[in-house]
Amino acid sequence: GQQLNQSPQSMFIQEGEDVSMNCTSSSIFNTWLWYKQEPGEGPVLLIALYKAGELTSNGRLTAQFGITRKDSFLNISASIPSDVGIYFCAGLPPHGSSNTGKLIFGQGTTLQVKP
Amino acid sequence: KAGVTQTPRYLIKTRGQQVTLSCSPISGHRSVSWYQQTPGQGLQFLFEYFSETQRNKGNFPGRFSGRQFSNSRSEMNVSTLELGDSALYLCASSLSGGANTGELFFGEGSRLTVL
Repeated sequence: GQQLNQSPQSMFIQEGEDVSMNCTSSSIFNTWLWYKQEPGEGPVLLIALYKAGELTSNGRLTAQFGITRKDSFLNISASIPSDVGIYFCAGLPPHGSSNTGKLIFGQGTTLQVKP
Repeated sequence: KAGVTQTPRYLIKTRGQQVTLSCSPISGHRSVSWYQQTPGQGLQFLFEYFSETQRNKGNFPGRFSGRQFSNSRSEMNVSTLELGDSALYLCASSLSGGANTGELFFGEGSRLTVL
């Protein structure tokens, strides 16, 4: 089935540093999304991307929908302690695929920020 | 506006038992999806309900079932529990077919431990 390969698996950075993580797949997706999950909580949507090449920002977060429709990246600028959590990419396969309508998640990137 | 509410938050069962988890979506949201989250497999799609009908189903055995009521509340049931069913079960709601946009609102989850 379709899978998303998310990297890195974990990151430990200093407060103020920029962070970059990405997601790739061998299959195309119509939509890419990025979610963040904090301990004891469910994932929360950060950014949604609907068009190949689209670059979208949400505060210090910037995400891009790859032009091949097979990848996406998320950047966090000037990290702060509250950025700690697990970041998941997610993709929505195109209509007609075996996974139509099923949101597929990457394995997550665990981010730790040292004050 | 109240978020997605899941009950119970924590439960412990033994092998062979069955369990029912409940989810109340955000008011006005008609689509409810269920995900299983484990450290090894990440977030795996179980099923999605819309207007009391199962609209999509993941690759889980028939021991996993669900339903949706006329008020959009949803339940999922796991019968003949196995140790491997220990996981965080997340419910997510969306305005229409969340599968169409991928924009899901997650609850805090129900943590199931099978002994």
